[in-house]
Amino acid sequence: EVQLVESGGGLVKPGGSLRLSCAASGFTFNTYSMTWVRQAPGKGLEWVSGISSRSDYIYYADSVKGRFTISRDNAKNSLYLQMDSLRAEDTALYYCARYGDYEIDYWGQGTLVTVSS
Amino acid sequence: QSALIQPASVSGSPGQSITISCTGATSDIGTYNYVSWYQQYPGKAPKLIIYAVNVRPSGVSSRFSGSKSGNTASLIISGLQTEDEADYYCNSYTNSNTWVFGGGTRLTVL
Repeated sequence: EVQLVESGGGLVKPGGSLRLSCAASGFTFNTYSMTWVRQAPGKGLEWVSGISSRSDYIYYADSVKGRFTISRDNAKNSLYLQMDSLRAEDTALYYCARYGDYEIDYWGQGTLVTVSS
Repeated sequence: QSALIQPASVSGSPGQSITISCTGATSDIGTYNYVSWYQQYPGKAPKLIIYAVNVRPSGVSSRFSGSKSGNTASLIISGLQTEDEADYYCNSYTNSNTWVFGGGTRLTVL
């Protein structure tokens, strides 16, 4: 069974940093591209960033480019999102998710990030 | 990276069919057949119900189907059931090597 478990969310002040982690199990992690998607409270889904299976292709939404860094450790079956220079508008539930081909086929349950003074 | 455009809400009665539209541009839906649809219940993670425009994953009801014409994709739900009441999101790959979601549609089954 595919499982994606996020951690690392919490309350942080504007301008601060946070590192999210996602532990993957139930599939061969190093053969799948992965992604982070967020959802602000009461709002819709927003694609944040994606990374290929060997980290050779990495992409970001314009809204986070230059502030967020996605990475993965295939030896640890883990995905990460380093978030710097956080803003109030980054407040959201952050989902770790797996790509099938060009679709997201599995989602975690999310970790909540709150940016507030 | 403008969001795809979906109606904010649609409604229908049990047994009826409804269609949710998703309008993008030549940079996304108009060029790529990488359109997917997700169903989300309150407080739950999204679930994939359609990918590659019109392919249903194993285990998804045949009442869900998808199509595309030009820059617009559509999700069709036939034989509406009360359990279909949820939020629905479309998603497309783009020519910037990114993905973009629609704003979401709240489906109410009256």
